Amino acid sequence: QVQLVESGGGVVQPGTSLRLSCVASGFMFSSYGLHWVRQAPGKGLEWVAGISSDGGEKNYRDSVKGRFTISRDNSKNTVYLQMSTLSPEDTAMYYCARDRVAILVGALDYCGQGALITVSS
Amino acid sequence: DILVAQSPSSLSASVGDTVTITCRSSQGIGNFLAWFQQKPGKAPRPLIFSASTLLSGVPLNFSGSGYGTDFTLTIRSLQPEDFATYYCQQYRRYPLTFGGGTRVDLK
Repeated sequence: QVQLVESGGGVVQPGTSLRLSCVASGFMFSSYGLHWVRQAPGKGLEWVAGISSDGGEKNYRDSVKGRFTISRDNSKNTVYLQMSTLSPEDTAMYYCARDRVAILVGALDYCGQGALITVSS
Repeated sequence: DILVAQSPSSLSASVGDTVTITCRSSQGIGNFLAWFQQKPGKAPRPLIFSASTLLSGVPLNFSGSGYGTDFTLTIRSLQPEDFATYYCQQYRRYPLTFGGGTRVDLK
């Protein structure tokens, strides 16, 4: 069965960096686009970034452009979110999610269990 | 950005009821709309894409409809496991955007 397992969350100070990882299993990883979606405590869902199956297409929400970088290693079935210059507004549960297709259509069909990032001094 | 407005923000219902949640986008999005279910402390679960297509494993008491700017999620014969928060999401254009959520709780 499809599984997405996030790791790398934690408590960090403002201005620092952190990298999230999402390891996938149960499907042909290199055939699907992947996304990161976040949810601040007690708030709704917010899309963060997406990457196509071959890594050639990437999209970001404006508030993270220049600070976050999405990447993937198809040999390791892993997608990453490198985050820098973190601020308290980035505090959230970060979910890895699969797109239904290789390109970034944006129709998601599976989500991981999430990794919590808390940005606090 | 395409704004997505959901209503109501919450509703109370009983087991066996039929509930309807509405989603309205700020511009026409065709049928590029998805629905998610989320239970407290859990990850969101995608339910529907293309406005009305159920994902594998989604119970048949869920249905979606709509096109353009107005969409609905209908849950018939509400089951105990259906009490949750529901979100719509447009994917016509980036950034992907979600509605604010509708909490369905027990009356």
